[in-house]
Amino acid sequence: NAGVTQTPKFQVLKTGQSMTLQCAQDMNHEYMSWYRQDPGMGLRLIHYSVGAGITDQGEVPNGYNVSRSTTEDFPLRLLSAAPSQTSVYFCASSYGSAGDTQYFGPGTRLTVL
Amino acid sequence: GEDVEQSLFLSVREGDSSVINCTYTDSSSTYLYWYKQEPGAGLQLLTYIFSNMDMKQDQRLTVLLNKKDKHLSLRIADTQTGDSAIYFCAESIRGGSYIPTFGRGTSLIVHP
Repeated sequence: NAGVTQTPKFQVLKTGQSMTLQCAQDMNHEYMSWYRQDPGMGLRLIHYSVGAGITDQGEVPNGYNVSRSTTEDFPLRLLSAAPSQTSVYFCASSYGSAGDTQYFGPGTRLTVL
Repeated sequence: GEDVEQSLFLSVREGDSSVINCTYTDSSSTYLYWYKQEPGAGLQLLTYIFSNMDMKQDQRLTVLLNKKDKHLSLRIADTQTGDSAIYFCAESIRGGSYIPTFGRGTSLIVHP
């Protein structure tokens, strides 16, 4: 199993540009989520999904969209990038039961100029 | 509401024990977790404890849970330089989505 994969690893955008961060998992996990990690702020939940066709907002959803058309994929879209979205983005997946392990991807480091 | 607090830094000497502390606010927490993040990588689960337990030991790791004070700690015995990383405390809530809420992380620095 490849686990959780994320692409790209690094990205530089200009303010106002849009892009999609890709996330895929091959473990047949129902739950998938996106976090951003900023210095001193820990991990903050952006959006999550409890199954194909179902998404919900996390703590910091503004400026981001998600969709979940398949169990495997959970892309994160930045509609109009802003410098405040400069961060490291992590995708995670799990089976979705209590006490379950979250499996994290390697992260995407995004810089918005 | 959910809130998980950790101190940001801890420095220890190689061979000593490290104790990383965490406090949480939601009494409905069911599972409490410790994750480790090495430089440039994602998080990996180290261990977890169910809220009806007081202690869990796994090789060099000991987790202590004080439900009355809503305090969780992770003790690493015989700390090695390879233990240098960021350690995140997290909780998941009974009746919630089971998506965990993470603390800000504690950077553990191990020096010779």
